[in-house]
Amino acid sequence: DSGVTQTPKHLITATGQRVTLRCSPRSGDLSVYWYQQSLDQGLQFLIHYYNGEERAKGNILERFSAQQFPDLHSELNLSSLELGDSALYFCASSRRQGGQETQYFGPGTRLLVL
Amino acid sequence: QKEVEQDPGPLSVPEGAIVSLNCTYSNSAFQYFMWYRQYSRKGPELLMYTYSSGNKEDGRFTAQVDKSSKYISLFIRDSQPSDSATYLCAMSLFSGSARQLTFGSGTQLTVLP
Repeated sequence: DSGVTQTPKHLITATGQRVTLRCSPRSGDLSVYWYQQSLDQGLQFLIHYYNGEERAKGNILERFSAQQFPDLHSELNLSSLELGDSALYFCASSRRQGGQETQYFGPGTRLLVL
Repeated sequence: QKEVEQDPGPLSVPEGAIVSLNCTYSNSAFQYFMWYRQYSRKGPELLMYTYSSGNKEDGRFTAQVDKSSKYISLFIRDSQPSDSATYLCAMSLFSGSARQLTFGSGTQLTVLP
């Protein structure tokens, strides 16, 4: 158990809908990263938040957005969903210790868009 | 061309074999190199972390980095059926507090009893 929690575990929805994925980082970790894992694209970085502020964006669509709240949990919002958005969505949290930063991944949310 | 290329596999070996997993990369700015293990329907789990060329050993696992050739490897000695999983190499740049990872596509490994 990495200490990172994600809810829900599974989500089935229809095209055009909007969903929110939630992530709670390990206690004390200030950074939250979101990744998307699909069969054809592999594991891809979406966005990074550090202590409530957006720090970096990767291959994140404009239909997707995220935020990190004062209690450090994070939410990833996916809107106007398309079939191709079906994937596993992971969050990871990290902290820097002794010059090293390690990302610990949650169990993921499996999204199926029908 | 992808920034990180990983041997696609799948790879199937008998129990006790030595396994070699490899990745190449094109971005010489990558400074941190990791290997993650991902069991089916689970999140990736960090196995090895290194930032220098050379070898790093942890139990049955050895990570090897050759920055001059832009090539990293993970060796698993005395492989066990419990090692059956997908292995992902990952790399990151030094960029302040932002350390987003760039992953290889993963190699699916099966260790047969």
